[in-house]
Amino acid sequence: SAVISQKPSRDICQRGTSLTIQCQVDSQVTMMFWYRQQPGQSLTLIATANQGSEATYESGFVIDKFPISRPNLTFSTLTVSNMSPEDSSIYLCSVTRNTEAFFGQGTRLTVV
Amino acid sequence: QKEVEQNSGPLSVPEGAIASLNCTYSDRGSQSFFWYRQYSGKSPELIMSIYSNGDKEDGRFTAQLNKASQYVSLLIRDSQPSDSATYLCASYDNNNDMRFGAGTRLTVKP
Repeated sequence: SAVISQKPSRDICQRGTSLTIQCQVDSQVTMMFWYRQQPGQSLTLIATANQGSEATYESGFVIDKFPISRPNLTFSTLTVSNMSPEDSSIYLCSVTRNTEAFFGQGTRLTVV
Repeated sequence: QKEVEQNSGPLSVPEGAIASLNCTYSDRGSQSFFWYRQYSGKSPELIMSIYSNGDKEDGRFTAQLNKASQYVSLLIRDSQPSDSATYLCASYDNNNDMRFGAGTRLTVKP
């Protein structure tokens, strides 16, 4: 298994501001994944973060809105920029180990 | 578009019954399949993985895979109220793409 520490666990933010979510993994991993899960919905992949290169974004997600950093093999951040109420969701980071996916505790974001 | 599809439910079963959760996938290149359980407000946790055709049993859980039919299922025997959660089916292919279904919400009634 993998131990992933994600923070903050929740936040309430004003529209127009930005929030940075951090994920720390207990060991080195090549790829880290960022997901969004809206209420009652499944996981939607935002982007894949590789160390030393730019993140790869899925259709519908852009770097200006969701900038990602991956400074080393155990850490990544996702920023939700210029937030609107539509960004209210749970954000999850994930890593795979032996093809199995493990998740951080999630960040519950509410934009008011 | 590579898809993993599940019946969203809700699926309701009485305590002690067998809960049957089903999933189909569209990408024949998928090699590995997983079932995750997600309690409300929590992150998904892996409960079963299956890689080859047939059945795989772990305690009260049995995963079934049929690659010809592109079908994966999860059976939960002797269902308990604590099994009430959303169950996510996922597939993993050779391109390192993990795809999740929308999830099936299961309620086990005492």
